[in-house]
Amino acid sequence: AQKVTQAQTEISVVEKEDVTLDCVYETRDTTYYLFWYKQPPSGELVFLIRRNSFDEQNEISGRYSWNFQKSTSSFNFTITASQVVDSAVYFCALSEAPGSARQLTFGSGTQLTVLP
Amino acid sequence: GAVVSQHPSRVICKSGTSVKIECRSLDFQATTMFWYRQFPKQSLMLMATSNEGSKATYEQGVEKDKFLINHASLTLSTLTVTSAHPEDSSFYICSAGGNPYEQYFGPGTRLTVT
Repeated sequence: AQKVTQAQTEISVVEKEDVTLDCVYETRDTTYYLFWYKQPPSGELVFLIRRNSFDEQNEISGRYSWNFQKSTSSFNFTITASQVVDSAVYFCALSEAPGSARQLTFGSGTQLTVLP
Repeated sequence: GAVVSQHPSRVICKSGTSVKIECRSLDFQATTMFWYRQFPKQSLMLMATSNEGSKATYEQGVEKDKFLINHASLTLSTLTVTSAHPEDSSFYICSAGGNPYEQYFGPGTRLTVT
């Protein structure tokens, strides 16, 4: 069975600080996909990134960066120079195997609060 | 890009009544749609997998007779909460699989049962 753990329930930082959100996953499959989503107070999920299990390259998109390490089953997310608009709940998720649409297993989420 | 809509966005109903939530893929066909439920300050939990033209597959602990799912076309899945009770109050989110590697989420429906 697959499992996603986000040990940080809540994080609070001051604007312009860097912050890293941790994600650890468990799966028996060798092929899988990892995701990060942002959920602002409105509730709508915002897709941030998808990474397949064969691509361990780190990725940077603006102030966002992701560190995927299969050796430690982690897929951590860093926001550089945080802004108040980054305040939201962030979910890490896992989907096993391609071939057809698969349901996502979500972590418990991390509430990020960026203070002005 | 792929867009999924949900209707209504918010609904308040009285205990004992039924409420239907629609999930539509607007610009693509989805043979599979998923229904998630999210209680306040909790994660999204999969309720069921809806396949076009066949019966939905429910996750353990989800009552199929209470949460009726119909996926009659490639662009529409509906979730009906029957005989709703206050404990069914939650945020219901659907997603649609447009291709094998992605899911597109609807904006969610906030259900309040009084």
